Amino acid sequence: EAGVTQFPSHSVIEKGQTVTLRCDPISGHDNLYWYRRVMGKEIKFLLHFVKESKQDESGMPNNRFLAERTGGTYSTLKVQPAELEDSGVYFCASSHGTSQETQYFGPGTRLLVL
Amino acid sequence: GESVGLHLPTLSVQEGDNSIINCAYSNSASDYFIWYKQESGKGPQFIIDIRSNMDKRQGQRVTVLLNKTVKHLSLQIAATQPGDSAVYFCAENSWYSSASKIIFGSGTRLSIRP
Repeated sequence: EAGVTQFPSHSVIEKGQTVTLRCDPISGHDNLYWYRRVMGKEIKFLLHFVKESKQDESGMPNNRFLAERTGGTYSTLKVQPAELEDSGVYFCASSHGTSQETQYFGPGTRLLVL
Repeated sequence: GESVGLHLPTLSVQEGDNSIINCAYSNSASDYFIWYKQESGKGPQFIIDIRSNMDKRQGQRVTVLLNKTVKHLSLQIAATQPGDSAVYFCAENSWYSSASKIIFGSGTRLSIRP
């Protein structure tokens, strides 16, 4: 069974540019999560999808971040315009159920904003 | 509030010895804890979990202990091997935080001496 995949693995962009990250969850997992780790700090929750609906987006830092999951399969996370403090590693995870179910993480996308 | 924290940012152990990684949490209502292992270039990988109605849970070479009185949990790795080198995160996924988002601690980097 394929795990969670993320693309790209690395991205280097300049401040003010736009970047779109993609996550493909484990097949059959309705729940998809985005997390990020910036500047050596803790991994922080960003948002949670159940199928195509946003269940919890309390961790989204500001309106420069837009997450979508059209069709309830893969998800994208767009940062527009990117700022220096957005640099970090963005992780995607998926789970079959919602409440306290094991979340399986992808390898992450390493984003560097110059 | 919600928080988990690790006691030491780094830990070095001799190959073959047992490793003990400690973690504390602040909210007595926390009811579900998870340990993740993150190797270089990869995402967090689930190791073992424990619910608040248990004091101890064992897996393959790993044991998690939960002391609710002092709000402390630990991960014990028996006969540490070079492949155990990684950053270990304690995390919680409790009902009061919607039971969908995982709250991570800061991580302990485990290194193995030959």
